[in-house]
Amino acid sequence: ESVLTQSPGTLSLSPGERATLSCRASQSVNNNYLAWYQQKVGQAPRLLIYGASSRATGIPDRFSGSGSGTDFTLTISRLEPEDFAVYHCQQYGSSPWTFGQGTKVEIK
Amino acid sequence: EVQLVESGGGLVQPGGSLRLSCVASGFSFSSYWMHWIRQVPGKGLVWVSRINSDGSGTSYADSVKGRFTVSRDNSKNTLYLQMNSLTAEDTAVYFCTRGVAVSGTDYWGQGTLVTVSS
Repeated sequence: ESVLTQSPGTLSLSPGERATLSCRASQSVNNNYLAWYQQKVGQAPRLLIYGASSRATGIPDRFSGSGSGTDFTLTISRLEPEDFAVYHCQQYGSSPWTFGQGTKVEIK
Repeated sequence: EVQLVESGGGLVQPGGSLRLSCVASGFSFSSYWMHWIRQVPGKGLVWVSRINSDGSGTSYADSVKGRFTVSRDNSKNTLYLQMNSLTAEDTAVYFCTRGVAVSGTDYWGQGTLVTVSS
């Protein structure tokens, strides 16, 4: 089973700043099948990025994903107030699917 | 509009059973694989189970294998999760999600809370 480790656990930033979130896999992610989700309190996760770098439908271009193999990054170029949330990475390239433990992006 | 609505959660005693349902609308349910994913409040997400489009193939996380059964009724656009021999470790919000090859999943329901406690 592929273990995903996200860092940092919490990111304290101000609106307008750039956020860089990391997700490292214990083994290479097949086909770079790595997704990023945003989750707000009391809500279901929302798909942001799939295939490591493709934005899902309706996702603003301030969200971008990069990386391959075992190291992946989600970048939010300029934080908007609605972007403060928890972000999860997930690999769906091998069974069982696994998720990281999440990174909380909080207002500084 | 794609919608997934879970129900059936609640408080159950250890060793008990519960059946979750997920009613789908806004898309051709019978064409999609479906998944159950759970989340202990405040913690990470954990994949639980999946079922293929016609219900002939299923898969489970090791932690629930032999205790949980996923099924579907395509005539009712409904996904099910039968949970038996529940323990406190099964306490979580259970989400149903639509499976998509290119992204794994796309749409999620709002979840239903299962609490296992005496």
